[in-house]
Amino acid sequence: GESVGLHLPTLSVQEGDNSIINCAYSNSASDYFIWYKQESGKGPQFIIDIRSNMDKRQGQRVTVLLNKTVKHLSLQIAATQPGDSAVYFCAERSGYSTLTFGKGTMLLVSP
Amino acid sequence: IAGITQAPTSQILAAGRRMTLRCTQDMRHNAMYWYRQDLGLGLRLIHYSNTAGTTGKGEVPDGYSVSRANTDDFPLTLASAVPSQTSVYFCASSLYYNTGELFFGEGSRLTVL
Repeated sequence: GESVGLHLPTLSVQEGDNSIINCAYSNSASDYFIWYKQESGKGPQFIIDIRSNMDKRQGQRVTVLLNKTVKHLSLQIAATQPGDSAVYFCAERSGYSTLTFGKGTMLLVSP
Repeated sequence: IAGITQAPTSQILAAGRRMTLRCTQDMRHNAMYWYRQDLGLGLRLIHYSNTAGTTGKGEVPDGYSVSRANTDDFPLTLASAVPSQTSVYFCASSLYYNTGELFFGEGSRLTVL
């Protein structure tokens, strides 16, 4: 099947800065997208999702943007904190298929 | 509430041995999943179960088997372990199969020598 990929394997930011994590997907039939956060030694945790009929969705300190024209997904984290340091995965699904995960981006937040 | 419980947390296994990774959830979720996570490859689906009594193959099912005798338990068995099965295994569940929000366990780190 088609895969979900990431532009940047590692992103380093300063505490308080805004972070943007990018994800490119190749399956034009994908209609549902999710971001997961995985802290060291733990399982992934759901952050936020978005359906293909939307181009933006906001949560607490996080915003997901979807650009279907260029098949691009991004996760914006406002006022990044040390606790945000983790690996972030995007995942996509088309119809009733199972989720396909990207390879992940590590976010490093320095004080 | 524990959520998803996996056991063991870590295991070293000789090649050729049989191994069962256990997974139990207490959320009464219908769907359960097994993923393996390898550096640089992300999370890959091994097997899944839409509901008790049914199972399906994921992206990388070879060498693995699962069963879903009841809602809560979803064990993953390696019939004859090989070194390429060295990985971190995550069990997950979701309310329904088509629900995007998966709840993951803490993982089982398996090393096959």
